[in-house]
Amino acid sequence: GAVVSQHPSWVICKSGTSVKIECRSLDFQATTMFWYRQFPKQSLMLMATSNEGSKATYEQGVEKDKFLINHASLTLSTLTVTSAHPEDSSFYICSAIPPRAGGFSSYNEQFFGPGTRLTVL
Amino acid sequence: TQLLEQSPQFLSIQEGENLTVYCNSSSVFSSLQWYRQEPGEGPVLLVTVVTGGEVKKLKRLTFQFGDARKDSSLHITAAQPGDTGLYLCAGLSASNYKLTFGKGTLLTVNP
Repeated sequence: GAVVSQHPSWVICKSGTSVKIECRSLDFQATTMFWYRQFPKQSLMLMATSNEGSKATYEQGVEKDKFLINHASLTLSTLTVTSAHPEDSSFYICSAIPPRAGGFSSYNEQFFGPGTRLTVL
Repeated sequence: TQLLEQSPQFLSIQEGENLTVYCNSSSVFSSLQWYRQEPGEGPVLLVTVVTGGEVKKLKRLTFQFGDARKDSSLHITAAQPGDTGLYLCAGLSASNYKLTFGKGTLLTVNP
């Protein structure tokens, strides 16, 4: 249980284009999802909190107009990197918190997707 | 700002050796979690520690949580090449469910 998927697993795009990454909770509903960015051999950095039915909350230093987040349903959040540039190349990971009532978790643990490797040429 | 200091940052050992990774926090989180991440994949939760002084074991992995709930350690006994990966500690905030990650320990176990 508590499976989170991401699509695509990797994407290569040209500088200036926009890229959409999907994050889905497969066997539970998630009112809250999180988006992280990870550079090679570094830790995860939280970018934003995605809230179903409301605006995302961005961490300090993350441009909300560049990284558009839409949490349209209880099982899907999308991250769109607009006008991507080579410095946006990174590993983007989402996570979701399953409800305690589902027996998935006792401590509000986050379950992570497999990540999306974005390369901007 | 809550910070998690993790050490060592890099560790390369031979198969069969023991190792310990440390995670120290500047403040108290509601719980502390340890993850293992392999290249190109998302982190996988190993354990959650909540109570001060708590010790949890997962096969050859032993996790300890300090009495003050600000420091934790991960001890691996008789490391194997399959243990190779990035080990991350993370503190959970009860107010907003956000995770604060340490910088990670990149472990390489050589056969």
